[in-house]
Order: sequence, then structure tokens, then C-alpha cells
Amino acid sequence: GDSVTQMEGPVTLSEEAFLTINCTYTATGYPSLFWYVQYPGEGLQLLLKATKADDKGSNKGFEATYRKETTSFHLEKGSVQVSDSAVYFCALSDRNAGGTSYGKLTFGQGTILTVHP
Amino acid sequence: GAGVSQSPSNKVTEKGKDVELRCDPISGHTALYWYRQSLGQGLEFLIYFQGNSAPDKSGLPSDRFSAERTGGSVSTLTIQRTQQEDSAVYLCASSLTRAGSVGGAFFGQGTRLTVV
Repeated sequence: GDSVTQMEGPVTLSEEAFLTINCTYTATGYPSLFWYVQYPGEGLQLLLKATKADDKGSNKGFEATYRKETTSFHLEKGSVQVSDSAVYFCALSDRNAGGTSYGKLTFGQGTILTVHP
Repeated sequence: GAGVSQSPSNKVTEKGKDVELRCDPISGHTALYWYRQSLGQGLEFLIYFQGNSAPDKSGLPSDRFSAERTGGSVSTLTIQRTQQEDSAVYLCASSLTRAGSVGGAFFGQGTRLTVV
């Protein structure tokens, strides 16, 4: 079945440091890939997405590239801010060859990021 | 409303009691999901509704859990004879159609369930 594995946290960085959160996946079809973020006291929000191999999703300075050959979708940001402190979830929604989603979103276990001034 | 609305936001119940959690999806969204988030754990899929199709119940952990979606809109997740291990945040999400086809789902704030 589908699965998503994220690097274990928590991750603690100083402001302006470079961030990488690793994510690898297993899927039987042609999945869409997502990163969601959960800020303290708030609900999950879609951060970025990619729907096919070599696509790059980007938002708020974060980027992730869909790498089919390594089944990965690592999240990166060149210079983190204190306001980026949150829990980050990698997720996939598998699809058939025609691009129709099977529907279910499968999430990784989440990575807690804390950024200090 | 503009977003996914869940009620109640917090629920404390005694072990053995039944509870009902409500989700109002974004108007017009045909897909609706329930997830469970336990402390220190990821999101556990529970159930998925898509339009008039039979729901995907593959994530329901036991027959004490059930969900329905009336009129293709509001959904209710029911937990019968609650146990302490049911304590978690229950999240509802909706999307215009299957989430993978449209680029993601929108989540509510969740219901924090505590079984004492």
C-alpha cells in the first residue's frame, strides 16, 4: 500500500539557516505529492504540491522537487525564520495511469521544526 | 462558511459513552475525509467520502467507529463505547473532488477528544 516516510525530528535551527526535511514515498500508481504545515494552534494548511515527476512546488520560500527516480519529495528553504516554526507533513495521493486520483491522502508522521532567533 | 468547520472544538467524555463529532465541509466540495491525530503521531486515515460513491472505510480502527454524510454535505463521525485510546484530535478535510486530482484538501481545526 501507499506510505510516506519523513526524517525524524525534531529539527532545531537558528534563524537564516538552511532547511531540509527529507520525505520518501511508496506508491503503486502515479501519485501527487504535497507538503502540509501546521502552525501552533492552527489547522493543517497546504504549503506546496507537485503532480508529476520533475515538477517543483514552491511557496513562501519553500521548495520541493518531485523525484521519481529516488521516490522523494524533500522540502527545502534557503533561510528559515522564527515564524517558520511549525510541524511539517509530507503526503501523497495516489493516481492511476489516466491521472484519476484514488482519493485518499496518505501522510507521513510529521516533523517538528523550531527556529531560534 | 469559508472553510471547513468542525464541532465541538473540544470534547471530554467518560469511558464507555458514545460521542458524535460533526464536520461542515466547504460548500460544493464533493470529497470529505476524516483523520485522527494522536499525540506525537502522524495523521491516521479513517474514512473518505466521494460524492455518491460508497465510502472508503478502510481506515476505521474498529466497529465502534462509524461515519455518515447526509445529503452530500455535513458528516458525522460516531464513536461508540469510547475507550481511553480513542483520545486524539479528529480532523475533517474536504476537497472539490478527489484531493489528488485538484491539488490537496482543506482541513478544519479539529475536535480534541479526551476520554477519561
